[in-house]
Amino acid sequence: EIVLTQSPGTLSLSPGERATLSCRASQSVSSSYLAWYQQKPGQAPRLLIYGASSRATGIPDRFSGSGSGTDFTLTISRLEPEDFAVYYCQQYGSSPSFTFGPGTKVDIK
Amino acid sequence: QVTLRESGPALVKPTQTLTLTCTFSGFSLSTSGMCVSWIRQPPGKALEWLALIDWDDDKYYSTSLKTRLTISKDTSKNQVVLTMTNMDPVDTATYYCARINKMAVAAIDYWGQGTLVTVSS
Repeated sequence: EIVLTQSPGTLSLSPGERATLSCRASQSVSSSYLAWYQQKPGQAPRLLIYGASSRATGIPDRFSGSGSGTDFTLTISRLEPEDFAVYYCQQYGSSPSFTFGPGTKVDIK
Repeated sequence: QVTLRESGPALVKPTQTLTLTCTFSGFSLSTSGMCVSWIRQPPGKALEWLALIDWDDDKYYSTSLKTRLTISKDTSKNQVVLTMTNMDPVDTATYYCARINKMAVAAIDYWGQGTLVTVSS
């Protein structure tokens, strides 16, 4: 079973700064099946990125995803106040099965 | 417009069986590529995938929980039901149902609002 590790656990930044979030898999993941979600307190997660680098419908272009194999990155180019949240990576593997990472919290510095 | 809504008991006792229903609209689970999944999230913790059922009635379960889970669908009612046996306080969580469109994004593109289930005597 593939295990996803996210780093850092918490990222403290100011609005306008760039955020770089990492997701590392214990074995190679198909880029087609790597996604990123944003979750705010009391809300369900929201799909941001699928296929490692494709933005979901309605997602601003300040969000971008990259990576392949075992290393993936979510970048928020300039943090807006509404971007402070928890971010999860997720892989959709064979069988099929899903695995989520433990999350990265982006909070206000 | 795709919507999903979870329903079920807010409180269950240890050892009881939990039954949750996901009622959805805006898509059909008989359409090729459509899947519905259950995911849970204990308070303050990360997301955990539980089970998935697809348009072809194939069913898939979390390795760690598969002996306790059963997922089924009623296509005519646009519902998916999850049962989890032998509930324990560690199963206290918000339970989400969600849609995956394998033919499009192959990710969870729509989520229900979630339902909090507390396991306590």
